[in-house]
Amino acid sequence: GQQVMQIPQYQHVQEGEDFTTYCNSSTTLSNIQWYKQRPGGHPVFLIQLVKSGEVKKQKRLTFQFGEAKKNSSLHITATQTTDVGTYFCAGSSSGNTPLVFGKGTRLSVIA
Amino acid sequence: GAGVSQSPRYKVTKRGQDVALRCDPISGHVSLYWYRQALGQGPEFLTYFNYEAQQDKSGLPNDRFSAERPEGSISTLTIQRTEQRDSAMYRCASSLALISYNEQFFGPGTRLTVL
Repeated sequence: GQQVMQIPQYQHVQEGEDFTTYCNSSTTLSNIQWYKQRPGGHPVFLIQLVKSGEVKKQKRLTFQFGEAKKNSSLHITATQTTDVGTYFCAGSSSGNTPLVFGKGTRLSVIA
Repeated sequence: GAGVSQSPRYKVTKRGQDVALRCDPISGHVSLYWYRQALGQGPEFLTYFNYEAQQDKSGLPNDRFSAERPEGSISTLTIQRTEQRDSAMYRCASSLALISYNEQFFGPGTRLTVL
């Protein structure tokens, strides 16, 4: 079945440093979503990408969808302590199939 | 407006007992999903509904797990004859329309502990 892998599993950065997490799917995706889960909280939707090569920005966050629609990345510029949490990607092979979540990348930011 | 709510928030039960976990989605949301999330892992799909119809239950681990959404709103996930390996956070999510292309709104989860 479809698998979604994320790397790294953990990332510790100094405040102000950049951070990137990568997501790879075993199959071609129709769309990919990114969620953020704060410690003790629940996943919160960040963004969805559907087009090959798509790039979307939200303030300091940049999301990319690969040309082959099998990988994606999330880049945070100049991290802040408010960025702490676990970032999950979730992909679907078609509009009618459930999202498959990666294991997430846990980000720690040291002030 | 109100978000997705789940009850109970915490449930401790003894092995062999049945448990029922409730999810109240955002009003008007068509689709409802159940996930299980182990510590340090991503949400693992269990099953989902469009309105009252269960569309996919391929993620349910075995026949001790069942779910229903009889009126297309509130849903219940039932685990019969619980086992210690069932201990996890059970999350419910809802979305406005059909699966996958819509943002999912997650509830706070029910932390199930089976002794």
